[in-house]
Amino acid sequence: EVQLVESGGDLVQPGGSLRLSCTASGFTFSASAMHWVRQASGKGLEWIGRIRSNAETYATAYAASVKGRFTISRDDSKNTAYLLMNSLKIEDTAIYYCARHVSDRTTIGDYWGQGTLVTVSS
Amino acid sequence: QSALTQPASVSGSPGQSITISCTGTSSDVGRYNYVSWYQQHPGKAPKLMILEVSNRPSGVPDRFSGSKSGNTASLTISGLQAEDEADYYCSSYTSSSSLYVFGTGTKVTVL
Repeated sequence: EVQLVESGGDLVQPGGSLRLSCTASGFTFSASAMHWVRQASGKGLEWIGRIRSNAETYATAYAASVKGRFTISRDDSKNTAYLLMNSLKIEDTAIYYCARHVSDRTTIGDYWGQGTLVTVSS
Repeated sequence: QSALTQPASVSGSPGQSITISCTGTSSDVGRYNYVSWYQQHPGKAPKLMILEVSNRPSGVPDRFSGSKSGNTASLTISGLQAEDEADYYCSSYTSSSSLYVFGTGTKVTVL
């Protein structure tokens, strides 16, 4: 069974940093690209970024709203993807989901985690 | 990159058909056949319902169908059921550096 479990969400002050983890099981993680998507309370989904597999040189891409502040990485030996968030702003407050890229398709998310809550507040 | 435009809400009675529109631009919906649709129940993660405009993943009922014309994609739910009440989001690949864009979301209410 495919599972994605996010962790690391917390309350952090503006300007602070936080690292989220997404631990995968039930599939060949190393062969899959992974996405991060966020959702502010009562708002819509926002794509944050994705990291490709080793076969595609771990290429990353980011939304303009987080580029230069957020970094996606992965450790295939731990079946885990990471989202490092720096210079956090109040508007970064949201539930953060990781999602598996649909294999051989240009589509986000045939599987999603349950999300982890990040709150940026003083 | 602006969000794709969806109606805020759509409603229908059980058994009826409803259609949700998703309007983008020639840089996203109009350029690529990479439109997908997601269903999200309150407090839950999104679930992929349609990919590549009209393809259903395994396990998704054939009551759900997708289409596209120009810069507008559509999701149709036929034979509406109570469990279809949820928020629905479209998404498209885009030629901008922000590779993917989501729609504004539509709340579907089953009357």
